[in-house]
Amino acid sequence: GEDVEQSLFLSVREGDSSVINCTYTDSSSTYLYWYKQEPGAGLQLLTYIFSNMDMKQDQRLTVLLNKKDKHLSLRIADTQTGDSAIYFCAEEGNYGGSQGNLIFGKGTKLSVKP
Amino acid sequence: DTEVTQTPKHLVMGMTNKKSLKCEQHMGHRAMYWYKQKAKKPPELMFVYSYEKLSINESVPSRFSPECPNSSLLNLHLHALQPEDSALYLCASSQVPLAGVQYFGAGTRLSVL
Repeated sequence: GEDVEQSLFLSVREGDSSVINCTYTDSSSTYLYWYKQEPGAGLQLLTYIFSNMDMKQDQRLTVLLNKKDKHLSLRIADTQTGDSAIYFCAEEGNYGGSQGNLIFGKGTKLSVKP
Repeated sequence: DTEVTQTPKHLVMGMTNKKSLKCEQHMGHRAMYWYKQKAKKPPELMFVYSYEKLSINESVPSRFSPECPNSSLLNLHLHALQPEDSALYLCASSQVPLAGVQYFGAGTRLSVL
């Protein structure tokens, strides 16, 4: 079945790089996503990557995709205290033949220490 | 503008109350979604509306009743809820049903007493 796995916690010091890893199961997923959720808030789309790309960079964010290993990572450069949040990886599930319903991982709680 | 607006932000209701959650988007998206998120868990899909018609109901109890009056608006009517229904309810929309990026609102935090 469809499943997305992430480590639950990551702690880094301010200014360091953070790397959040994710493995997924549905190789037919057209896009893979990273969402950020701050305490008490909704989900903010951080970035997404098309499945035929290996890498996408957007300012401090770098997404790496290894389709062979079904591994997705999110690197945040120069991590700030404002980056403290839960980060969800998501793949597109297969619902009745349609791609697109999101399957989320359990989320990685990133704590940034000053 | 990728904004999805949800109201109210917080709601407290008793088990005999009837209340509604509202979601609005003005991006011209043709699909809208309701998700439920319990504490420390990922969001779980409840309903999908495609072109204003209900296309997916993830076996949600009938005490939750969705409604899509027009392409910009999505409601979730609540009646006779249980305390275990307390959660963050998230609305999302996408340009095309079940494809592409979904944009989420800030959610309504519901407490059922």
